[in-house]
Amino acid sequence: NAGVMQNPRHLVRRRGQEARLRCSPMKGHSHVYWYRQLPEEGLKFMVYLQKENIIDESGMPKERFSAEFPKEGPSILRIQQVVRGDSAAYFCASSPGLARLDEQFFGPGTRLTVL
Amino acid sequence: AQSVTQLDSHVSVSEGTPVLLRCNYSSSYSPSLFWYVQHPNKGLQLLLKYTSAATLVKGINGFEAEFKKSETSFHLTKPSAHMSDAAEYFCVVSEAGANNLFFGTGTRLTVIP
Repeated sequence: NAGVMQNPRHLVRRRGQEARLRCSPMKGHSHVYWYRQLPEEGLKFMVYLQKENIIDESGMPKERFSAEFPKEGPSILRIQQVVRGDSAAYFCASSPGLARLDEQFFGPGTRLTVL
Repeated sequence: AQSVTQLDSHVSVSEGTPVLLRCNYSSSYSPSLFWYVQHPNKGLQLLLKYTSAATLVKGINGFEAEFKKSETSFHLTKPSAHMSDAAEYFCVVSEAGANNLFFGTGTRLTVIP
């Protein structure tokens, strides 16, 4: 059973470009969470999604950031018009369901560098 | 409201000596508490979790943590450090009904040969 997969592992973008980060949850998991880790900080919650639904996006910046988890395919975190402050590691986690909230399995992360 | 405070940003121990990583939490309701480890350029791995069962929780790789409600603490310990324990450790809290985990700022553990 493969773990949570994220790609790319490393992403370099210039200011103003778009970044797309992908997350494939563990098999059988229908809940996905995105976290951002700025340098020298802990992870901060961004958004929680189920298939085709955004459940909680209280941690998402108001502009330029969006997330989706379509019926088919991976979850996507999209950052438009990236700025240097977006440079961070972005982690995805998945869980089997709301009752198993305490069991979030993390992917290896995508490290975004904005030049 | 929930929050986590990791009291030490860096801890350095000699190989074979005990490890103590401190964590205090704040939570309005009965929390679930976790310790995660992050090795360089890797994802996070769950070490152990407390979810209102036994207050002394045993995890992987010889780590354990004790939930002390009176002290609002959940310190992580290991009797004897190994070189492979060098990593970043995060204390994490989650409340019933919450949709996400709240992370501390992390403690970087260095193990000296």
